[in-house]
Amino acid sequence: NAGVTQTPKFQVLKTGQSMTLQCAQDMNHEYMSWYRQDPGMGLRLIHYSVGAGITDQGEVPNGYNVSRSTTEDFPLRLLSAAPSQTSVYFCASSRTGYNEQFFGPGTRLTVL
Amino acid sequence: GENVEQHPSTLSVQEGDSAVIKCTYSDSASNYFPWYKQELGKRPQLIIDIRSNVGEKKDQRIAVTLNKTAKHFSLHITETQPEDSAVYFCAASMEYGNKLVFGAGTILRVKS
Repeated sequence: NAGVTQTPKFQVLKTGQSMTLQCAQDMNHEYMSWYRQDPGMGLRLIHYSVGAGITDQGEVPNGYNVSRSTTEDFPLRLLSAAPSQTSVYFCASSRTGYNEQFFGPGTRLTVL
Repeated sequence: GENVEQHPSTLSVQEGDSAVIKCTYSDSASNYFPWYKQELGKRPQLIIDIRSNVGEKKDQRIAVTLNKTAKHFSLHITETQPEDSAVYFCAASMEYGNKLVFGAGTILRVKS
């Protein structure tokens, strides 16, 4: 099993550009989530999904969109990148929101 | 919504000493409290978790205690070793809430 995979590992964007961060898991987990990690602020939930076709907002959803068309994939879209979105992004999956979350390796995003 | 506060933000201990990290949460409905360890440049990984129907849980050198009345929980690491040096995050969730809220993290340094 590959577990949770994320691409790309690093990305540099210019302000206003859009892009999609990819996340996939092969553990047949229903629950998937996206976090951003900033120094001194821990992991903040952006969006999450409890199954294919079902998504909801987390603590910091503004500027991000998600969709969940399959159990395996949960992409995160930045609509118009801003310097405030410079961060490390982690995708995670678990059986439910009440169980161990398995994190991907992260994507380090810089917005200039 | 839920708010999790974590203290201290940094902790330095001598190898062999004990380390204690404390967290408080705001929502009395929360009943799942995991702890994650993140080594430098790596993804967070679950080290121990506790549910509200127990007051303490141990796994070798690691223990977690929960006080639901006071709404706080703590991580205890005994006989610390250099490989325990990492960032530790506490988190809280409700069973059917699907949102895991993290504390800001504690940088633990074990000096040999």
